[in-house]
Amino acid sequence: EVQLVESGGGLVQPGRSLRLSCAASGFTFDDYAMHWVRQAPGKGLEWVSGISWNSGIIGYADSVKGRFTISRDNAKSSLYLQMNSLRAEDTALYYCAKDSVAAPFYYFDFWGQGTLVTVSS
Amino acid sequence: DIVMTQSPDSLAVSLGERATINCKSSQSVLYSSNNKNYLGWYQQKPGQPPKLLIYWASTRESGVPDRFSGSGSGTDFTLTISSLQAEDVAVYYCQQYYSTSVTFGGGTKVEIK
Repeated sequence: EVQLVESGGGLVQPGRSLRLSCAASGFTFDDYAMHWVRQAPGKGLEWVSGISWNSGIIGYADSVKGRFTISRDNAKSSLYLQMNSLRAEDTALYYCAKDSVAAPFYYFDFWGQGTLVTVSS
Repeated sequence: DIVMTQSPDSLAVSLGERATINCKSSQSVLYSSNNKNYLGWYQQKPGQPPKLLIYWASTRESGVPDRFSGSGSGTDFTLTISSLQAEDVAVYYCQQYYSTSVTFGGGTKVEIK
């Protein structure tokens, strides 16, 4: 059974940093690209970042470029999102999502339950 | 970035009736070399993560009821629920993956009339 379990969310002050993690199981992690997608309270889905199976292809939404860094550790079946210089508008539920292929980026065939990030003073 | 525009923002349909959701992309998501539309549809029920319904614009994901169908090509796409059931109340999103910068539509909320 495919499982994606996000962690690391919480309340953080503007300008500070936070690191999200996603632990994957139930599939061969290094066979697939992975993504972070966020959803602000009451709003729609926004793709944040994606990474191919070998980290050879990495993409970011313009809204987070230069502030967020995606990475993965295939030996640990884990995906990460380092978020720096956080802003109030980064407040959202952050989902980890599995791509359907190794590379490039296609559709997302499984999603975790999400971890909530709240940026507020 | 490719902008995805969905319409309507919400719709109310009677049980057993057809629901139609539209999605328009700011540029074509049809890849000429393989004749595939890089377009997916997701369903998100309250308090749940999104679930993949349709990919390649018209291919139903395994386990998705056949009352859900996708159509369209190039820049204009449609998700149709042929006979709305109570469990179909949700927000539906289209997504393009033609570009490495994946983008989603704003969502369409489907309710029971």
